[in-house]
Amino acid sequence: DQQVKQNSPSLSVQEGRISILNCDYTNSMFDYFLWYKKYPAEGPTFLISISSIKDKNEDGRFTVFLNKSAKHLSLHIVPSQPGDSAVYFCAASARETSGSRLTFGEGTQLTVNP
Amino acid sequence: DSGVTQTPKHLITATGQRVTLRCSPRSGDLSVYWYQQSLDQGLQFLIQYYNGEERAKGNILERFSAQQFPDLHSELNLSSLELGDSALYFCASSPRPSETQYFGPGTRLLVL
Repeated sequence: DQQVKQNSPSLSVQEGRISILNCDYTNSMFDYFLWYKKYPAEGPTFLISISSIKDKNEDGRFTVFLNKSAKHLSLHIVPSQPGDSAVYFCAASARETSGSRLTFGEGTQLTVNP
Repeated sequence: DSGVTQTPKHLITATGQRVTLRCSPRSGDLSVYWYQQSLDQGLQFLIQYYNGEERAKGNILERFSAQQFPDLHSELNLSSLELGDSALYFCASSPRPSETQYFGPGTRLLVL
């Protein structure tokens, strides 16, 4: 049962344009969502998070949007840079009921072309 | 650099053997988590410790065990290894449960 899904295995964008990565979830108990970036041979690096009481969180070039009714979140990167090329994982937790365990999506490979 | 360290970086062993993976959390973090990333399963939660006590368990096999020591470092023990245990094993830490988790670089285990 895949509770967190990233339906796009890959995304390619031009440098300077917007990258939009999408994530869907099925568990309505999830109340905290995170995005991680992963380079080959490294561990996931925390990017940005959002609590279910918000619908938007912004940090520099990164913005996460949460649509609870649609059980959907997205990560916007503006402007995209070649150094952003990596695998992006969406993760979720149900802190009230299941504690801190993170459930991850399958990841989306972002390629930013110069 | 997240501040979480894991040793060894790479481990090659044979089926039936036992290995120990080590994790040192970020300074001040009391909670440690272990995750497994395999090709067909993605990143899966294994187990969590908080201040030395087991806090939560995921899909961790009975052949696997873990502990967190008084100095807060953690070890993941994998025994009776099978080919399917080949994977990346990540440790993460957070100051307290339910706070943002920061991941180490991982240990790549290859079982031959």
